[in-house]
Amino acid sequence: DAKTTQPNSMESNEEEPVHLPCNHSTISGTDYIHWYRQLPSQGPEYVIHGLTSNVNNRMASLAIAEDRKSSTLILHRATLRDAAVYYCILRDVGTGGFKTIFGAGTRLFVKA
Amino acid sequence: EAGVAQSPRYKIIEKRQSVAFWCNPISGHATLYWYQQILGQGPKLLIQFQNNGVVDDSQLPKDRFSAERLKGVDSTLKIQPAKLEDSAVYLCASSLVLGFGSPLHFGNGTRLTVT
Repeated sequence: DAKTTQPNSMESNEEEPVHLPCNHSTISGTDYIHWYRQLPSQGPEYVIHGLTSNVNNRMASLAIAEDRKSSTLILHRATLRDAAVYYCILRDVGTGGFKTIFGAGTRLFVKA
Repeated sequence: EAGVAQSPRYKIIEKRQSVAFWCNPISGHATLYWYQQILGQGPKLLIQFQNNGVVDDSQLPKDRFSAERLKGVDSTLKIQPAKLEDSAVYLCASSLVLGFGSPLHFGNGTRLTVT
């Protein structure tokens, strides 16, 4: 199973952009890159996903490296409500590799 | 749309007792997942259903855990008998289809404490 590597924690100031990195050097051509975040006492929440091209939605942007071996989740202006654990995972689009495996994620601290 | 519903929200039992968790996925979602999340760790996949069939249960401790999804909608996860190490949050998630980049939608989980 393809796996991801993320820093254990990161810190940001409120109102500033945050770049959360993820390495997935063993990614296959059919793996989608998904990001989820988990607030305290809640289940993980979908943030964004992509395959090859950069993606934007109302919550964040996803920048995918040209070789797809790494990606970066971008929060354009961090707020205190963005403090959470962020998970980068890979999901296979094909008939194999159904597993959606979560790592330990990155805990984001946001300072006022 | 209504989200994934789970109950109960909290459960405390003694070791060797039995417990069951219930999940109602988002309407129309064909794929349903059960995850176990131990404090400080990421969610660990236990079992995955496509409609009412099991797609993957390789991480499910089958000597004590069982799960079913009757009629391809609601699902129940059971532990019998419970051990201390089963203390965790049990998360249910659903997705519209299997694969194809379909996002997972999670419930808020059931927090199980085994004493």
